Amino acid sequence: AQRVTQPEKLLSVFKGAPVELKCNYSYSGSPELFWYVQYSRQRLQLLLRHISRESIKGFTADLNKGETSFHLKKPFAQEEDSAMYYCALSAKSADSNYQLIWGAGTKLIIKP
Amino acid sequence: NAGVTQTPKFQVLKTGQSMTLQCAQDMNHEYMSWYRQDPGMGLRLIHYSVGAGITDQGEVPNGYNVSRSTTEDFPLRLLSAAPSQTSVYFCASMRSGEQYFGPGTRLTVT
Repeated sequence: AQRVTQPEKLLSVFKGAPVELKCNYSYSGSPELFWYVQYSRQRLQLLLRHISRESIKGFTADLNKGETSFHLKKPFAQEEDSAMYYCALSAKSADSNYQLIWGAGTKLIIKP
Repeated sequence: NAGVTQTPKFQVLKTGQSMTLQCAQDMNHEYMSWYRQDPGMGLRLIHYSVGAGITDQGEVPNGYNVSRSTTEDFPLRLLSAAPSQTSVYFCASMRSGEQYFGPGTRLTVT
């Protein structure tokens, strides 16, 4: 079954502390994974995708196929990182179209 | 480019009323979709379309209809609103796996 799991609904860390938002996936094919972010009162937007191997706003995520994980990390959290974060998997559906399978999201709160 | 636009931003309906949430995109994306976002449940796909004239059901299609007469527009219709449809609705278009979201419509059904 195709599934994305974000085990933490809420993560609260102090400013300057490291952050790791967990994401695990289940997919039989070659995965393409994304992290999306939703800041307060804003629309969802792409944060990063694993194939681009970029670091956006100090965040990185490495695809670990052995552990089927795509955890999002940042070494030093900033207050402006407070947001809702969603992990998503691009998967082929039964009609051969690609869809995004979404995790339930993790709310990140950065305490001053 | 305006990207993905949605109207209205807010709506309050009484149980049994019908309404249409509008969605438009100006990026010429073939793929469009509607999600609802509920606390603790993430994003759930309602309906999607892979091109004009083609629509299909997502994870939670009951109580909703869609049509796709043009590439640009993808309206979502609530046939007979129920309190369980109180949610935030997002429209999105997609290209190369990346989704572009509208600002959302916050719907309350009383």
